[in-house]
Formats: sequence, C-alpha cells, structure tokens
Amino acid sequence: SAVISQKPSRDICQRGTSLTIQCQVDSQVTMMFWYRQQPGQSLTLIATANQGSEATYESGFVIDKFPISRPNLTFSTLTVSNMSPEDSSIYLCSVEEGTGFRSFFGQGTRLTVV
Amino acid sequence: DAKTTQPPSMDCAEGRAANLPCNHSTISGNEYVYWYRQIHSQGPQYIIHGLKNNETNEMASLIITEDRKSSTLILPHATLRDTAVYYCIVRPHSGNTPLVFGKGTRLSVIA
Repeated sequence: SAVISQKPSRDICQRGTSLTIQCQVDSQVTMMFWYRQQPGQSLTLIATANQGSEATYESGFVIDKFPISRPNLTFSTLTVSNMSPEDSSIYLCSVEEGTGFRSFFGQGTRLTVV
Repeated sequence: DAKTTQPPSMDCAEGRAANLPCNHSTISGNEYVYWYRQIHSQGPQYIIHGLKNNETNEMASLIITEDRKSSTLILPHATLRDTAVYYCIVRPHSGNTPLVFGKGTRLSVIA
C-alpha cells in the first residue's frame, strides 16, 4: 500500500496570505488527487494532478486560487492563495494503487485562517 | 454528485456486528462498490470493494444484492476503534478515477 506524507499537518494563517501544502508518496504514481473537507462536511475533489501537465480542476475551483505543482511522479504541492476564513478546512492528497484501484490518503492538513 | 444513499448515523454496541446499508440504485454494469472510513481527524482508509459477489477480508464483509442496487458493509465484532464515518462509493473499476464522496454514515460504537 502507498504511504503518503503530507506537510504541514496543521497551520494557522493570516487572511490574505498563502500556504503551500506538500504531498510525498513512497512510490511512483500517475495521478495525484487533492480534496478539501470543510468543517463537518464530506470530502470534495479540488483537482487532479498529472505529472507533466497542468492540473484539471473541478467546478468551483480555479488555478489562481489553488495552484498545483506536480514536478515528478512522487510529489505534488497545493497552494491555497489569498486565504480567507472560508478556506479553513482540511486539505488531503490521495493516490491510487494496486490492481484493486484502491485509494490512499495523506493524514491531511488542517488549515485555520484568522 | 454521489451515486449512493446512506443513513446519516448509526449506533452499535461493542462486540456486536455493525451492519451499514448503502443504496446505489443507479449503479452501472462496470461500476464497483467501494467502502472507506474516516476516523476523526485522519485521512480516509480503504476497507473493501466488490462487483457482485460477496467479499470478505480481515476488516469486514461486503454483501451486494443480486440486482446490485444496494449493499451492506458488515463489521463482525465492532470495537470502539471502529467509531468513524463510513463512506459507500460507486466507481468504475479503472485506474486514476477520483472518488466522489457522499455524506456517509457516522457509526458510533458504544461500550
């Protein structure tokens, strides 16, 4: 099973600033997925990151707000830009592995914007 | 949008079987049923998946009805550590397809 290291685990940020979240996987994967989980809610897909191409964003999410990098097959970053309190959420990265197409998740980044 | 419907919450006594239902009446022929759970403040964890036959692993059993329109996840001997939100997800059995999460069922295991 894939092991995913996500950093930071939590942060408290001032509004108007940006935070970059890192996701490192212990194996090479084609796609990495970024999710947001707002307080008390389920997970919502932000974007899909494929190495060597621009990320594909879901409706309601834009590159200017959530720029994503995918420099190689084991690493990705998600930046939350120009933050507001509404961005306070848990952000998770995920990869898929194995013949059963199982998904594995990082432990998440708990972001609080004040 | 999620293609599944689950009860918002359930309780289960410790040591008893927890049976979590899921309706997926619009499931397509090439779609599998996957179950994940999210223990508080952690990333979701894979439990089990299946197409049409019943499946069992070290964590749980999955019972899928013959018409595939519903399924039940069974935790045979629930413990306090099984308290979590359980998500039933329908998705194609193909690579690089993101998960679409519904609201899930919050299972509380009670001592």
